[in-house]
Amino acid sequence: SAVISQKPSRDICQRGTSLTIQCQVDSQVTMMFWYRQQPGQSLTLIATANQGSEATYESGFVIDKFPISRPNLTFSTLTVSNMSPEDSSIYLCSVEDASSFEAFFGQGTRLTVV
Amino acid sequence: GESVGLHLPTLSVQEGDNSIINCAYSNSASDYFIWYKQESGKGPQFIIDIRSNMDKRQGQRVTVLLNKTVKHLSLQIAATQPGDSAVYFCAETTGGSYIPTFGRGTSLIVHP
Repeated sequence: SAVISQKPSRDICQRGTSLTIQCQVDSQVTMMFWYRQQPGQSLTLIATANQGSEATYESGFVIDKFPISRPNLTFSTLTVSNMSPEDSSIYLCSVEDASSFEAFFGQGTRLTVV
Repeated sequence: GESVGLHLPTLSVQEGDNSIINCAYSNSASDYFIWYKQESGKGPQFIIDIRSNMDKRQGQRVTVLLNKTVKHLSLQIAATQPGDSAVYFCAETTGGSYIPTFGRGTSLIVHP
């Protein structure tokens, strides 16, 4: 199994500002993902963080709004840019075990934009 | 009792009862299914999975049933405990994809 540390665990931010969320994994992993979970809702995939290349974004998510870095096989960041109250959500980092298809999640970052 | 809705979003049970959480999926090509448990303030945690060539799989106190004919998945929890209180998500993948598509989720509330 993989242990994922995500920080900050929560933050309250002013609209128009940006927040960078960090995800650290205790082992090297190929697949890293970022999800958004809006209040009372399910998880929606934002993008796949690719090591050494640009992230792959899902429909409805763009790099200018959610820039992602993946400098190595154990670390990734997600930035929520130019925030508005609609960005208030839980953001989750996830990694996949290639041998078992099991996904592991960080504890999430609860973001509130005021 | 249950909250009636398209995907039964809330299920309340008494401690010791058996719980059944249901999930309908739409992609007939999905071939791998997973149940996750998400406790308050935490990320989802893997519970049990099942491949499309099976119709039942058992774990410790949990059983997953798959009915491909009607595209229905269920999670049965035996002797439900207060610690089982959480939101449960079903998820599906297709064709070896590593990326699960999550269902809406059901909140399970266990009363002592």
